[in-house]
Amino acid sequence: GAGVSQTPSNKVTEKGKYVELRCDPISGHTALYWYRQSLGQGPEFLIYFQGTGAADDSGLPNDRFFAVRPEGSVSTLKIQRTERGDSAVYLCASSFDRGSEQYFGPGTRLTVT
Amino acid sequence: GIQVEQSPPDLILQEGANSTLRCNFSDSVNNLQWFHQNPWGQLINLFYIPSGTKQNGRLSATTVATERYSLLYISSSQTTDSGVYFCAALRGATNKLIFGTGTLLAVQP
Repeated sequence: GAGVSQTPSNKVTEKGKYVELRCDPISGHTALYWYRQSLGQGPEFLIYFQGTGAADDSGLPNDRFFAVRPEGSVSTLKIQRTERGDSAVYLCASSFDRGSEQYFGPGTRLTVT
Repeated sequence: GIQVEQSPPDLILQEGANSTLRCNFSDSVNNLQWFHQNPWGQLINLFYIPSGTKQNGRLSATTVATERYSLLYISSSQTTDSGVYFCAALRGATNKLIFGTGTLLAVQP
């Protein structure tokens, strides 16, 4: 079956611009997660959705980052006033329910120039 | 929060050799996953193994939850096994995976 998909695969933007990153989870998965991976490091948690609600957003670095999942399926990660330090690979994962095995998408590589 | 450490950080093998990768975690966990990140960046699920032993082809994994470690065994390594291997732990109600720093494996022909 189809895995987790993410679009775009690559995004180059200028400092100060707004970007949106999209995640399509595995069909039927109620839990959705966003992670961020910098070069040479493991992924770091950003936010977790159970259904439509953000159950844990403790990993969001500041208020420029926001994510939504309005219908409990597709999620969008939104970054305002991008900074060069936001450059990283943004990964999305989904799982059948809370605490079960997580499956990752291919990621969006964000470059802020 | 929970700390996850992996060793060795780097490993170079000749094709056909066996290897053991280790993952230590600082507190009890509800979930432990092993991933292979291929050269294109895709995280591939290897094992979901909060405790016990599992095998899948040339790979196997053992988690000893009471002693807070997990091992990933790769036998008869192939060049396609190259990449970064991550373990990640989930504890309590947080639902977030805490990743280790990874083991970079290079298998030479």
